[in-house]
Amino acid sequence: RKEVEQDPGPFNVPEGATVAFNCTYSNSASQSFFWYRQDCRKEPKLLMSVYSSGNEDGRFTAQLNRASQYISLLIRDSKLSDSATYLCVAADSNYQLIWGAGTKLIIKP
Amino acid sequence: GAGVSQTPSNKVTEKGKYVELRCDPISGHTALYWYRQSLGQGPEFLIYFQGTGAADDSGLPNDRFFAVRPEGSVSTLKIQRTERGDSAVYLCASRPTGAEGEQYFGPGTRLTVT
Repeated sequence: RKEVEQDPGPFNVPEGATVAFNCTYSNSASQSFFWYRQDCRKEPKLLMSVYSSGNEDGRFTAQLNRASQYISLLIRDSKLSDSATYLCVAADSNYQLIWGAGTKLIIKP
Repeated sequence: GAGVSQTPSNKVTEKGKYVELRCDPISGHTALYWYRQSLGQGPEFLIYFQGTGAADDSGLPNDRFFAVRPEGSVSTLKIQRTERGDSAVYLCASRPTGAEGEQYFGPGTRLTVT
């Protein structure tokens, strides 16, 4: 079983819709969590950190559920430019990042 | 300012050859990571440097892989006796002190072993 699991997708979503995807992690000692975005044939870039209380950055909302060991990402009013792969990341106390395989999102006009 | 740079961007080599991949991190970032990524997968951790020393090399798959960072800045990943299974994109990332999950990635080196 992978330490960080994501639905690989692709999620095909019409422009303007709301889309959400989850990620589960197996290591209960994971300290912190992040979402990265990776465009095709590009490097990953940090999208947002995930705080216990949940956090929002514009159209993006991230939530953490420690009891069930999952994190989520919600994208509202999706744009064509949101098309990318979204990577879920769990970090341990040694700053070791464990990466999910990513969820592919395709926004259609 | 300048981001993380990696050279070469592409490398094609024959099975059995030796390759070196270079990473120039963001100036002042003491933490440096090497990953490799295959199609449809997330980055796979290889090694982590804090300054000049390898703080964690548990991700190196075998002794054909080695990495150095002699002056605490530029790092080189070295692969001996390359195998076709080594083909992947090799990513380097650096991190500012204290920003635990905030890694800045280079564009990667696409290694193809024929």
